Amino acid sequence: DAKTTQPTSMDCAEGRAANLPCNHSTISGNEYVYWYRQIHSQGPQYIIHGLKNNETNEMASLIITEDRKSSTLILPHATLRDTAVYYCIVSETGTASKLTFGTGTRLQVTL
Amino acid sequence: GAVVSQHPSWVICKSGTSVKIECRSLDFQATTMFWYRQFPKQSLMLMATSNEGSKATYEQGVEKDKFLINHASLTLSTLTVTSAHPEDSSFYICSATRARSNNEQFFGPGTRLTVL
Repeated sequence: DAKTTQPTSMDCAEGRAANLPCNHSTISGNEYVYWYRQIHSQGPQYIIHGLKNNETNEMASLIITEDRKSSTLILPHATLRDTAVYYCIVSETGTASKLTFGTGTRLQVTL
Repeated sequence: GAVVSQHPSWVICKSGTSVKIECRSLDFQATTMFWYRQFPKQSLMLMATSNEGSKATYEQGVEKDKFLINHASLTLSTLTVTSAHPEDSSFYICSATRARSNNEQFFGPGTRLTVL
């Protein structure tokens, strides 16, 4: 079973920031928080991951609470192409570590 | 970099036949490859994990004799659905990891299987 809970769906206006929350209250010390997204009928795409510090890359920012029990993915300027299902996953690092996908958040970006 | 391809992108077959799906890492050597299945409006479910030259590790409830996985090289893994039935119709997706990638999985575009 997935160790994360996310809202089922969210809407965001194009050009605004999209803030996607994730709860992972049972995360263990050696587990990272990963975010992937899946555009309809495509394979998932890696977005970002972090352990305890906030992270930023060209796609998004990841804010992890100090107790690591929750996190927020931020898309600073959402576009229509960001419409997708966003998955928050906790997993150990290591090339053979499995990813357990939950139900994710369906983000709809609108004009 | 880190592109994963799948072939075919879609396939339709008759019930009882076998179907082979290929997963290739195009520009890197894959340390590990994973196979997932996704039914309509559902999330991805991991089927198995495979490493080059060794037997795949299947998730609970996945029949290893029905879903044959061969990982012949560091850039190629194949999934064969044997004696396919309509309930095997699904979206099959592979992913691969590479050394020193912090467990980032690179996903293929998926293969849609329809069994008539």
